[in-house]
Amino acid sequence: DAKTTQPPSMDCAEGRAANLPCNHSTISGNEYVYWYRQIHSQGPQYIIHGLKNNETNEMASLIITEDRKSSTLILPHATLRDTAVYYCIVRVAVGGSQGNLIFGKGTKLSVKP
Amino acid sequence: NAGVMQNPRHLVRRRGQEARLRCSPMKGHSHVYWYRQLPEEGLKFMVYLQKENIIDESGMPKERFSAEFPKEGPSILRIQQVVRGDSAAYFCASSPKGSGNTIYFGEGSWLTVV
Repeated sequence: DAKTTQPPSMDCAEGRAANLPCNHSTISGNEYVYWYRQIHSQGPQYIIHGLKNNETNEMASLIITEDRKSSTLILPHATLRDTAVYYCIVRVAVGGSQGNLIFGKGTKLSVKP
Repeated sequence: NAGVMQNPRHLVRRRGQEARLRCSPMKGHSHVYWYRQLPEEGLKFMVYLQKENIIDESGMPKERFSAEFPKEGPSILRIQQVVRGDSAAYFCASSPKGSGNTIYFGEGSWLTVV
């Protein structure tokens, strides 16, 4: 079972920042937080991941709380093409479950014009 | 998603036939994962392989399904005697090694059983 909790759906206005929350209160010290998204009828796309520190790349920013029990994915300027299901996944860094990704239901983000 | 190649992208099989789905991992990746997505449902892990070795097949149905990743060539997901319930999108993913390295997905193979 997925170890994360996400809202089932969110709306965002085009051009605005999209902030997608994720709760992972049982995360272990050796588990990373990964974010993927799946645009309709496409394969999941890797977005970003982090362990403790906040991370930023060309797609998004990841803010992880100090206690690591929750995180937020930020898309700074959402476009219509960002409409997708976003998955927050905790994944062991070494050993354990051999690194599988266990997908939950994710958050369906709808970016509206 | 660039780099993980799956074929065929779409496959139609009659009930009772066999389906073979192929996956070529990204260059330099030695680990392959297969996931299944039934219509309107989430992604479910099936199997995790490295070359010539199955690491974790806890998500594979007990019958009719098998997977391999030979020393040479692509990984193959094989479904024997397909039934209508096998109709789904099958996604392959790869990583350089298991834990701790980012997993990248292909665009999927859509199997339709008629």
